[in-house]
Amino acid sequence: EVQLVESGGGLVQPGGSLRLSCAASGFTFSSYHMNWVRQTPGKGLEWVSYISSSSTTIYNADSVRGRFIISRDNARNSLYLEMNSLRAEDTAVYYCVRDKLEVWGQGTLVTVSS
Amino acid sequence: QAGLTQPPSVSKGLRQTATLTCSGNSNNVGNEGAAWLQQHQGHPPKLLFYRSENRPSGVSERFSASRSGNTASLTITGLQPEDEADYYCSAWDSSLSVVLFGGGTKLTVL
Repeated sequence: EVQLVESGGGLVQPGGSLRLSCAASGFTFSSYHMNWVRQTPGKGLEWVSYISSSSTTIYNADSVRGRFIISRDNARNSLYLEMNSLRAEDTAVYYCVRDKLEVWGQGTLVTVSS
Repeated sequence: QAGLTQPPSVSKGLRQTATLTCSGNSNNVGNEGAAWLQQHQGHPPKLLFYRSENRPSGVSERFSASRSGNTASLTITGLQPEDEADYYCSAWDSSLSVVLFGGGTKLTVL
């Protein structure tokens, strides 16, 4: 079964840092580009970051550029999102998403609050 | 970054046909087309179409998608109660090098 499982979410203070992980299984992870997409509770979807299959190409949304770092470890079938200088507006459910948005994890909630 | 434009809500009767729209420009929808996603409350989104007209296996044939210029459309025929959900469109913007989402359309089946 194709599956993406996120972890690492939680409560963090403004200005703090958090690292999200996504464990992939059921497919050849190294063959697929990956994304992080977030959703504020009760609101719409916002794309965060993209990384190509071999990590050679990375794109970020303006809202997180310079603060968030996407990375992957193909040997571990894992995707990561290093989040720094967190703000209240980063509060959201963060989804790990495969390539053309065809596979989504269940999401992990990040809450930025003092 | 400006997103794609979707109507906030659409209401249709049971067994009727609903058409949802998604407007962009020549750098996104008009370039590579749009993806359509369905999201039920409390669940992650599910892909219905990618690049405007390609339907993944397992998606009901009651769903169809098309594109005309810079506008993509999702049509759902024979509306069922389980079709009540939020629908999002998405497209790669080749000028901005970002993925854009629409604000979502809440479909209500009366």
